[in-house]
Amino acid sequence: AQSVTQLDSHVSVSEGTPVLLRCNYSSSYSPSLFWYVQHPNKGLQLLLKYTSAATLVKGINGFEAEFKKSETSFHLTKPSAHMSDAAEYFCVVSDKRRFGAGTRLTVKP
Amino acid sequence: DAGVIQSPRHEVTEMGQEVTLRCKPISGHDYLFWYRQTMMRGLELLIYFNNNVPIDDSGMPEDRFSAKMPNASFSTLKIQPSEPRDSAVYFCASSLATGGFHEQFFGPGTRLTVL
Repeated sequence: AQSVTQLDSHVSVSEGTPVLLRCNYSSSYSPSLFWYVQHPNKGLQLLLKYTSAATLVKGINGFEAEFKKSETSFHLTKPSAHMSDAAEYFCVVSDKRRFGAGTRLTVKP
Repeated sequence: DAGVIQSPRHEVTEMGQEVTLRCKPISGHDYLFWYRQTMMRGLELLIYFNNNVPIDDSGMPEDRFSAKMPNASFSTLKIQPSEPRDSAVYFCASSLATGGFHEQFFGPGTRLTVL
């Protein structure tokens, strides 16, 4: 079975500081992993995906994630937060039926 | 392509009434998913279809909920009778495949309020 665990339900950062949203996965084989973003009162939008081509994946809006098999992690990062990054972020494993619980990112001015 | 289309965007109804939510997936996508999102339970998969056939409905909460996909371009999620605890945002999503690297495309959601 496959599953993901998002380690933080809420992350708060100041504008201009780095963002780290953590995701650990469980899979019996090499998974595909995704990060989605949901802005308030909106649907979900794909940020980036890992499909085994490269362990460091770059997505939209300056986000990137690194697949670390040894740590079973796929953490999402951004060097400098922007106010518009405030949203809910979901980590998802291959079969796309199992979403993480979500991490709410707050960006303070 | 217009993306995944859901209607209505908002629905307010009274307890006991029948509610029908509609979804038009992206043309050419083989998979269609229905999700429910609440503060308490997060994003839950209710059911998904492959080529119009329901594959996994284990997430459907109870017999009051039913979903159909009569053709490749249309699906409905019906709640009869509705209850206040059904209040949530319901999302429809479609994709080319359920495994591998194919992403899901989500609709804007239907916000259901049952009074």
